[in-house]
Amino acid sequence: GENVEQHPSTLSVQEGDSAVIKCTYSDSASNYFPWYKQELGKGPQLIIDIRSNVGEKKDQRIAVTLNKTAKHFSLHITETQPEDSAVYFCAAISNQAGTALIFGKGTTLSVSS
Amino acid sequence: DAGITQSPRHKVTETGTPVTLRCHQTENHRYMYWYRQDPGHGLRLIHYSYGVKDTDKGEVSDGYSVSRSKTEDFLLTLESATSSQTSVYFCAHSGALQETQYFGPGTRLLVL
Repeated sequence: GENVEQHPSTLSVQEGDSAVIKCTYSDSASNYFPWYKQELGKGPQLIIDIRSNVGEKKDQRIAVTLNKTAKHFSLHITETQPEDSAVYFCAAISNQAGTALIFGKGTTLSVSS
Repeated sequence: DAGITQSPRHKVTETGTPVTLRCHQTENHRYMYWYRQDPGHGLRLIHYSYGVKDTDKGEVSDGYSVSRSKTEDFLLTLESATSSQTSVYFCAHSGALQETQYFGPGTRLLVL
């Protein structure tokens, strides 16, 4: 089955710096890769996703890149702000029957002003 | 608002007692999921449903059962709660397996 590894587990940056979180996956059939942000005491919320027919996707300060050959994908946050502080999860899923979304273990991002 | 609610939001129970957690979605989505979240493990899938009365096991299904009698409701039952089931439980829904999953606010369960 699918296995998703996420690094780093914690990340501290200064406001205005960039933050990068990396994930690797094991199942070459995986073709959908969402990223979720979880604030304290709340459920995860989707912030961006990418499908395997696309190499990069951007939404304002957030971007995701996908390298299918190396089986890894990354989240990039530019011009970080204190409100970006949260736990971020990557996930992967294939379109094979009987599979479901597999999550990485999360990255705690702290942005200090 | 992700169109999903969970009840109760907090529960304390004793070892050996049955517990049922409820999830309700208003989006008429086909897929619903139950996850547990524990420090160092992230989100792990317990069970999911792909339609009324259609369910399948996830990664950590032992000790849990689910039921879905209506599109909008998905119940998670701990048959006989154990301390290892102390966790935060999240429900989610999506229109398809490869569409956005919308998460509920979570239920914090403490088994003494």
